[in-house]
Formats: sequence, C-alpha cells, structure tokens
Amino acid sequence: AQKVTQAQTEISVVEKEDVTLDCVYETRDTTYYLFWYKQPPSGELVFLIRRNSFDEQNEISGRYSWNFQKSTSSFNFTITASQVVDSAVYFCALSEESTGGFKTIFGAGTRLFVKA
Amino acid sequence: GAVVSQHPSRVICKSGTSVKIECRSLDFQATTMFWYRQFPKKSLMLMATSNEGSKATYEQGVEKDKFLINHASLTLSTLTVTSAHPEDSSFYICSARDRIAHEQFFGPGTRLTVL
Repeated sequence: AQKVTQAQTEISVVEKEDVTLDCVYETRDTTYYLFWYKQPPSGELVFLIRRNSFDEQNEISGRYSWNFQKSTSSFNFTITASQVVDSAVYFCALSEESTGGFKTIFGAGTRLFVKA
Repeated sequence: GAVVSQHPSRVICKSGTSVKIECRSLDFQATTMFWYRQFPKKSLMLMATSNEGSKATYEQGVEKDKFLINHASLTLSTLTVTSAHPEDSSFYICSARDRIAHEQFFGPGTRLTVL
C-alpha cells in the first residue's frame, strides 16, 4: 500500500535561513513517481518537481533542491535562503499504478512560516 | 504546462440542495480524472478516480450516491454533491492525467460552503 509521511507539521524560520522539509514514503512498486507541491493561501497547488523511481539524481532549481534516497525511502526538499514568499503548505506526493489504476496520494503537508 | 480548469471556483448553497462542479482539461485529453477533497489545514484526500466512459472508482468511505461523478468526455468530468449538508463544506480539487504524456495536472479547486 502507498503511504507518504511528512512528520513536520509546522516549521517556522527567519528569512534567509535554510530549511529542509522531510518526506518518507512507502510503496511495494518498483516504478513510482514522487512529487512536491506548494499550496499558497489561495489554495491552488503549484507543481515543484517530479521524480521517477529510477532517477535518484538530486536536483537543484534556484533556491530549491531535492534529495532522493531510495535506500531510506526519502525525498527531502530544501529551501536555501528562505524568503517570506516561501510561506505556504508544502505537500509531498507519491504516484503509482495500483490494482485500481493509477493513483496519487499526498502526505499530510508541512506548513512553513518564514518571518521577516 | 497543461491547464485544468474548475467551475465554479466558489459556491455557497443551502443545506439540501445539490451542487455540480465541473473539471475541464483545456489543452489535452485526459483518460483519467481524479477528485480530491481537502478540509481546512488538512491534506488532499482522494475521493474517486474516473475513466472516460466508465463508472468511477470510489475510495473506501466515500459515498457513491452522495458524490456523483460523471466523466462523459476526454476533457470533462463533473462532481455532483447531492443533498449537500454543512459537513460537505470543503475544498474540492480535481486532477486530470494526460492521455499521451501520463502526467497529472491539478485544477485550481472549488470552495464549497453549505449553509
């Protein structure tokens, strides 16, 4: 069964600090996809990254970076030099083909507060 | 990127009425569409998966007769909340999976308030 755990419910940092959001997943499939989404107060999900299970290469995009470790089933997200505009809820998600078809489930989310 | 629209973005209705929410993939064909529900400060919970032309598959605990899903074409799925009650108030988000690229795109959500 699929499961995504985001143990950090809320994180509060001061602007310019680095912050890492943790994500641990469970799956029986060898083929799956991992995602991070940002949800600002407006509610609309903003896609940040997608990773397939065969690509463990870490990725950097501006101030964002992702660390995918299959050995620990983790897909952590780091924001470097955080800014107030980074304040939002961040969701980690897992997609895989299941007996009922393709399915994406979300972690509980981590609410990030960046203070000026 | 591909665009998924939802209509309406907000709806307020009286208890006992039915509300229909539309989800459209604007520039791609979606073989599969998904409906999620999000309570305040909670995560997105998958309600059902619908494939074009067939019945929706509901997640455990989701009432089929309460949440009617229709996926009549490759670009449109509708969710009807029947006989809505205040506990149905929530943020409903649809998602569509591209038939070709197999990527999933999310709509902007519909905020339902039942008085």
